Amino acid sequence: KQEVTQIPAALSVPEGENLVLNCSFTDSAIYNLQWFRQDPGKGLTSLLLIQSSQREQTSGRLNASLDKSSGRSTLYIAASQPGDSATYLCALMGMNTGFQKLVFGTGTRLLVSP
Amino acid sequence: GAVVSQHPSWVICKSGTSVKIECRSLDFQATTMFWYRQFPKQSLMLMATSNEGSKATYEQGVEKDKFLINHASLTLSTLTVTSAHPEDSSFYICSATGGPGNTIYFGEGSWLTVV
Repeated sequence: KQEVTQIPAALSVPEGENLVLNCSFTDSAIYNLQWFRQDPGKGLTSLLLIQSSQREQTSGRLNASLDKSSGRSTLYIAASQPGDSATYLCALMGMNTGFQKLVFGTGTRLLVSP
Repeated sequence: GAVVSQHPSWVICKSGTSVKIECRSLDFQATTMFWYRQFPKQSLMLMATSNEGSKATYEQGVEKDKFLINHASLTLSTLTVTSAHPEDSSFYICSATGGPGNTIYFGEGSWLTVV
């Protein structure tokens, strides 16, 4: 069974810091991995999608990497801002979990203080 | 871009009653919709997969008679929580696929509180 774990569970940093969020998974047979942002009480906003054949994706201050062999993905946030405060979820679409079904990680709650 | 809308955004109901949540794809035909449940400070857990015109496929541990899913059209899926109890209080989120590139789009979620 695919298990997705995110470390740390919570993170508090001052504004301006660069930070890394980690996502690990147990089954490397995946179609893709996606990072989402969730604000309190809200739905999900897709940040970056990495296909199985790719190693990283970048969007603005965000960079996500994927290492299937080690079962890991990282989300790098440069020059963090208070507006980045949210919960970040990684989710993957696995070859053994059903097409288009997403398995979500446990999430990292980020607080960026001014 | 594609938009998935959920209604209501929040609902409070009495224990023992039923409540219906709608998930609509506004500008594309959603061949498949997914229903997730998220308890406070926990991640999203898939409840069921809904394909238009066929019965939903439920994940292990999800009671199909309690969580009724109907996907009668290519733009609408509904989740009905029957005989709701306080432990059903949760955040329910739907997602839909079938749009450009088969991207998966998420709704804004629906808060259910059973009192």
